[in-house]
Amino acid sequence: QVQLQQSGAELVKPGSSVKISCKASGYTFTSYDMHWIKQQPGNGLEWIGWIYPGNGNTKYNQKFNGKATLTADKSSSTAYMQLSSLTSEDSAVYFCARDGGWFAYWGQGTLVTVSS
Amino acid sequence: DIQMTQSPSSLSASLGDRVTITCRASQDIGNYLTWFQQKPGKSPRRMIYGATNLAAGVPSRFSGSRSGSDYSLTISSLESEDVADYHCLQSIQYPLTFGSGTKLEIK
Repeated sequence: QVQLQQSGAELVKPGSSVKISCKASGYTFTSYDMHWIKQQPGNGLEWIGWIYPGNGNTKYNQKFNGKATLTADKSSSTAYMQLSSLTSEDSAVYFCARDGGWFAYWGQGTLVTVSS
Repeated sequence: DIQMTQSPSSLSASLGDRVTITCRASQDIGNYLTWFQQKPGKSPRRMIYGATNLAAGVPSRFSGSRSGSDYSLTISSLESEDVADYHCLQSIQYPLTFGSGTKLEIK
């Protein structure tokens, strides 16, 4: 069965960067887009972008240009999102979600807390 | 960007009530509309896709409909396990955009 296992919670300092992961299993990793979604506490969901692991193509929400960088490692079936120049506005839960089925599959979420 | 205006933002209803949540799209999105249920501390769960299709494993009391640019999620008879946040998503155009969410509680 399809599973997306995300990395654990992160506590990071303002101005730093963080890289979170999403390890896929149960399907051919290179055949489906992987999307990333942000959810701030008490807020709705916000789409960040997607990566197609088959060729590394990416598409970003313009709002996250320069903030988020999506990569994928085919050898380990893992998608990554790096967030840079972190501020308190980046404190949120971040989800990965697989396309190709109307977002039927989601990771469990990774909490990123930006605090000094 | 396509704006998805979701209403109401919160809803309190009694067990057994019929409940409807609506998303209005600012542009034509065809049937590229998905409804998600999200319980506290959990990932969103897909409930309805393609505006009207019930996802596998979702109880039949849930349904989706479309009238023009208005998309609705209806629960025919509210049960306690339906307490959650509900979100809509348009996936016809980038950036993908979600509604602002509806918090559903039991009265």
